[in-house]
This record gives sequence, C-alpha cells and structure tokens, in this order.
Amino acid sequence: KAGVTQTPRYLIKTRGQQVTLSCSPISGHRSVSWYQQTPGQGLQFLFEYFSETQRNKGNFPGRFSGRQFSNSRSEMNVSTLELGDSALYLCASNAGNTEAFFGQGTRLTVV
Amino acid sequence: SQELEQSPQSLIVQEGKNLTINCTSSKTLYGLYWYKQKYGEGLIFLMMLQKGGEEKSHEKITAKLDEKKQQSSLHITASQPSHAGIYLCGAERYNNNDMRFGAGTRLTVKP
Repeated sequence: KAGVTQTPRYLIKTRGQQVTLSCSPISGHRSVSWYQQTPGQGLQFLFEYFSETQRNKGNFPGRFSGRQFSNSRSEMNVSTLELGDSALYLCASNAGNTEAFFGQGTRLTVV
Repeated sequence: SQELEQSPQSLIVQEGKNLTINCTSSKTLYGLYWYKQKYGEGLIFLMMLQKGGEEKSHEKITAKLDEKKQQSSLHITASQPSHAGIYLCGAERYNNNDMRFGAGTRLTVKP
C-alpha cells in the first residue's frame, strides 16, 4: 500500500510569488490535513479536508488556502509569499477515527 | 504557551540506557499520539493511546496515558542509535480532527 505522497519535495520561491503544493493520500483515506513546521513555532495545523470540504481550519492568514479533489488528492496554495512562510509543509491522511499517516513533506524556501 | 508541553526538550543518552519523555496537556485529552521524526522528514506513527491507564508497547518503546494527570510518557528501553530523532506527542481536539503537537524532544543516542 503506497504511503502519503507529497510533491514537490523541495521548492524555492521569491517573496511575493505564489506556490501550490500537492498531497496524495493513502488509497481509501478521505481526510487530508495540512501542517506547517518551523523551528520557532513547531508543528502547526493549517486545515483539514474531508470529501472535498474544509472541515477545520487553524489560525493562519487567508493567503493560505487549500482544496480537495474527488479522488481525495489535496492541494494547498500560499499566495504573496513572505520570508516567514519558509517551512516544512506536511500533509497527513487518515481513514476516520484512526491515526494520521504523514507524507515526507515539502520544504519551501522563500528568498 | 503550548497546549502540549514536552520534556525534556533534548536528551543525549549512551547506547543501552533507558530514557523517558513526558508530554503534559493543558486541556482534557481525548486521544494522545506519539510520532517520531527524522530531521526534515515526515512523521512516523508510533502509538495511539485513548483510555486513561492505557499502556502500549512496540519493540522497545512503551507509552502510557495518565488521563487524570493529562499526561503521557514514552519510555525507551536499552536505547540504540536507531532510536535517535525527534519525538512528538500530538492530541486531537474534542470533536475536531485537527491535531495539536508538542514542541518535540530531540533524542541523541551515543554509540
């Protein structure tokens, strides 16, 4: 069974640009959550999608958005990038009331 | 302050020694998860504890949940270099599917 796949693994963007990250959950998992991890703030919840609907949202500005497709694949978008958006972005999928399985992450560097 | 406090922040032990990592919640726990992370990579699920007094083991790692104290501990017996990494505890909010994480404990095992 394939794990959670995140693409790309590494990304370098310039301030002001926008970026789209992709996450393919484990087959059969309908819930996808996104997290941002930085040395200063640790691992912080961004949002969760279930059956193409955003169910929960963390405390991040509106520049951070996401969506989920009918095949459960999810994308997150960050517009007007700031230096502080440099982080490891992790997505996780789960099958319901079970543990979350994480992808390897996308390392975003904003210069 | 963090909703989940982990201690210690970092730990250096000699191979073969036992160690304990603690995770204390400021809110009622409805499920406590332990994950391990290698630097810059995704999280690997270790264990999930849901009931007070519950104890689970996997290989040389044992985790316990003290619901009254809103605390969990992770104990590693006879540590090995392969145990090195960052250990994170996570907890779900009641009726929410987002997970909050502690700041992590960085474990170094010296051969």
